[in-house]
Amino acid sequence: QVQLVQSGAEVKKPGASVKVSCKASGYTFTSYDINWVRQATGQGLEWMGWMNPNSGNTGYAQKFQGRVTMTRNTSISTAYMELSSLRSEDTAVYYCARASGGPFDYWGQGTLVTVSS
Amino acid sequence: QLVLTQSPSASASLGASVKLTCTLSSGHSSYAIAWHQQQPEKGPRYLMKLNSDGSHSKGDGIPDRFSGSSSGAERYLTISSLQSEDEADYYCQTWGTGIKVFGGGTKLTVL
Repeated sequence: QVQLVQSGAEVKKPGASVKVSCKASGYTFTSYDINWVRQATGQGLEWMGWMNPNSGNTGYAQKFQGRVTMTRNTSISTAYMELSSLRSEDTAVYYCARASGGPFDYWGQGTLVTVSS
Repeated sequence: QLVLTQSPSASASLGASVKLTCTLSSGHSSYAIAWHQQQPEKGPRYLMKLNSDGSHSKGDGIPDRFSGSSSGAERYLTISSLQSEDEADYYCQTWGTGIKVFGGGTKLTVL
């Protein structure tokens, strides 16, 4: 069965960077885009960007341009999302999601990133 | 600009049916969307892809109680025979060239 398993919770100081991983199994990793979505406490879902694991091509939401980098290691079927220059407003649960064309058809379990001095 | 609009809240009684609405912005009425469910303290779960003609394809293990329909720029999610576990936030999602968009979500309360 398709699974996306994310890395554990992180606590970071303002100005630092965080790198979250998303390990895929149960399907061919390079056949589907991976997207990243975040959700602050009590808020809705916010799309951050996408990555094609086959080509490595990426596309980022304008809000995160210059601060987010999405990469992958195809040998271990793992996608990564790195967010830099962290501020308190970046405190959120970060999800990876597989995209089947347009819809996100499988989601990771989420990774809580807390930014606090 | 591609925008999805959802009512913030809805409620219905146990065993009844409810219809949630997601509205596409002007000029985007032909777009397909997806519906996702997020139960309290859990991650989102994919429910279905819903096309502009009302045809839909559901995710793995999604019960027949969940169905979708379309009319113009509006996309609907109908949940019948409501159960307590259907109390959740429901998000619609769409996609354009290089972008993905979420609606603000509807919080469904089962009375």
